[in-house]
Amino acid sequence: GQQVMQIPQYQHVQEGEDFTTYCNSSTTLSNIQWYKQRPGGHPVFLIQLVKSGEVKKQKRLTFQFGEAKKNSSLHITATQTTDVGTYFCAGPLTTDSWGKLQFGAGTQVVVTP
Amino acid sequence: NAGVTQTPKFQVLKTGQSMTLQCAQDMNHEYMSWYRQDPGMGLRLIHYSVGAGITDQGEVPNGYNVSRSTTEDFPLRLLSAAPSQTSVYFCASSYMGQGAYEQYFGPGTRLTVT
Repeated sequence: GQQVMQIPQYQHVQEGEDFTTYCNSSTTLSNIQWYKQRPGGHPVFLIQLVKSGEVKKQKRLTFQFGEAKKNSSLHITATQTTDVGTYFCAGPLTTDSWGKLQFGAGTQVVVTP
Repeated sequence: NAGVTQTPKFQVLKTGQSMTLQCAQDMNHEYMSWYRQDPGMGLRLIHYSVGAGITDQGEVPNGYNVSRSTTEDFPLRLLSAAPSQTSVYFCASSYMGQGAYEQYFGPGTRLTVT
């Protein structure tokens, strides 16, 4: 079955530095979503990517969907303490089940002031 | 507009006990789902529903039952609790249609089975 994998599992970042987290799927995805979960909180939707090669930006966050639609990345520039949390990517379990999401294990981000 | 609400926030059960985790949403979303979150494993889909009267299994359905009698409510029943069901449970809802199918998550229920 499909597997969604994220690397790295942990990311320690100095405040002001940039970092990237990656999401890889064993199968082609119709779309991919990214969520952020603050410590002790619930996942909150960040963005959805649908098109091959799509790039979307939200302030300091840049999301990219691979040309083959099997991988995605989240790049954060000038990391701030507010970026602390776990970032998850999620893709549909099957091609016709947009709502049945399979989540990656997440990248836990710790920011050092 | 409360969004997605879950009760209780915390629960401790003994092995073999049963209970129902409540989930409600006031956004008139057709799609609702239940996930469990365990350390290092992300969120895993337990059951989901695409509308009242329609439910289906996700990745890890064993030991759980659901029903959807109304659009608003989607309770999750643990039939006979086991220590392996110790986890944080999240309910989520989503609009079904074209465009972004972002899922709105509830605050979660932290369940411990002893």
